[in-house]
Amino acid sequence: GAGVSQSPSNKVTEKGKDVELRCDPISGHTALYWYRQSLGQGLEFLIYFQGNSAPDKSGLPSDRFSAERTGGSVSTLTIQRTQQEDSAVYLCASSLEQSITEAFFGQGTRLTVV
Amino acid sequence: DQQVKQNSPSLSVQEGRISILNCDYTNSMFDYFLWYKKYPAEGPTFLISISSIKDKNEDGRFTVFLNKSAKHLSLHIVPSQPGDSAVYFCAASALPGTYKYIFGTGTRLKVLA
Repeated sequence: GAGVSQSPSNKVTEKGKDVELRCDPISGHTALYWYRQSLGQGLEFLIYFQGNSAPDKSGLPSDRFSAERTGGSVSTLTIQRTQQEDSAVYLCASSLEQSITEAFFGQGTRLTVV
Repeated sequence: DQQVKQNSPSLSVQEGRISILNCDYTNSMFDYFLWYKKYPAEGPTFLISISSIKDKNEDGRFTVFLNKSAKHLSLHIVPSQPGDSAVYFCAASALPGTYKYIFGTGTRLKVLA
């Protein structure tokens, strides 16, 4: 596709369940970023992938959060044993090289934990 | 505690007039600042940046001003157009070229035709 695609666009899950959020970056983009925006908060960095290098996971808020990027393309963010404070909009972005100002963001996945 | 604050959640401006969006920060180590624009159901898009070596950066109708002593920056849009109606986020970092910016909560701008 022409842009960064995220799925699902909305997800409602019960507390304690696991969820997977998917990001399809722009073809050829080696850099991929995950952010989230909780209600009343600014965007918060979660994790960064660059090519085949080890990802920068320093923004993940707990060990319930993990992400992978298969074949340098599609990325999946997994949240285990979801909690209500995980409710947020999760945004994925990609860029040719590391440059957040040149990154294209997806429309986000709105996660609601009930 | 929020290190980057956008204290006005919303702003309405008449078409053709100036829009001024404000952003305050608390960390004196921040030297790099970004503004993003976000339309509903779309991801944010980068708008303009400034670093502390400058106090002003201009790009067409958009100008960002930085007052480092006051830890304050502002985005001016002149003249405002209805298509500028969006949520605007400021972001700050102590490092250049990073992706770990601290973002504000955003200001929703509505430009009235």
